[in-house]
Amino acid sequence: ETGVTQTPRHLVMGMTNKKSLKCEQHLGHNAMYWYKQSAKKPLELMFVYSLEERVENNSVPSRFSPECPNSSHLFLHLHTLQPEDSALYLCASSQGLDTSKGYTFGSGTRLTVV
Amino acid sequence: RKEVEQDPGPFNVPEGATVAFNCTYSNSASQSFFWYRQDCRKEPKLLMSVYSSGNEDGRFTAQLNRASQYISLLIRDSKLSDSATYLCVVNRNSGYSTLTFGKGTMLLVSP
Repeated sequence: ETGVTQTPRHLVMGMTNKKSLKCEQHLGHNAMYWYKQSAKKPLELMFVYSLEERVENNSVPSRFSPECPNSSHLFLHLHTLQPEDSALYLCASSQGLDTSKGYTFGSGTRLTVV
Repeated sequence: RKEVEQDPGPFNVPEGATVAFNCTYSNSASQSFFWYRQDCRKEPKLLMSVYSSGNEDGRFTAQLNRASQYISLLIRDSKLSDSATYLCVVNRNSGYSTLTFGKGTMLLVSP
C-alpha cells in the first residue's frame, strides 16, 4: 500500500446510523486532515491533527467525531447525520504542519445520507 | 472577500489551444501557493507549486503576483487529458499553517 488510503469508497447511511470513515497514510507523515467537499463548494477543512493531537476544529458539528490513534491512522466517526452532510470526505496528510510541499490526498469517501 | 477566488468556468477549448486561469487570494501573509488538479469524482492531486519568480513544468507555467495577490496557470498545447478542474490553493496562517482551496476552474478540452 502506498500513499493515502481511505475506506470505504462509498457509504450510504440513514440518519440514525453510526458509521466510521477510515484513513491510513504510508508516507511517514505526522499531520493528517479531514476535508469535506460538497457540490459547487470549495474544500472545507474540518479537522487537523499533528502528532496525534487535534490542533484545529473548524466549528464542525458534534455529529462528526474524529479520532487519531497514531500518526498513520485517522478516523471520522459519524452519528445522526443530516442529508446536507452528504458529500465527498477527503483525508490528507503532510510532513508536520509545513504547507510548503502541499498535502497528499486519499481518494475520498463519497457519503450519502438518506 | 473570499479567501481564494477563481472563475468556475467551464473553459471550453480545442486541442492544441493555450488557456490561462487566474486566481486571487485575500491573505497578504500567505507564503505557499499551489495548483491542484481534480478529475471528476476523484481526489485533488498536486499539479505544481507556484514560486515568486514563476515556474514552468512542461506545458504548464505558473506565475505569482504578490503585490496584486493573484496567481495564474498557463497551459500550452492543451490535450484532451487536461480536461479537469484546476484548484488554486494558498496557505492560511493562524498560529500554524493550513491550506485553503478555491472552488476550482473547470477545463474542457475538445477534439
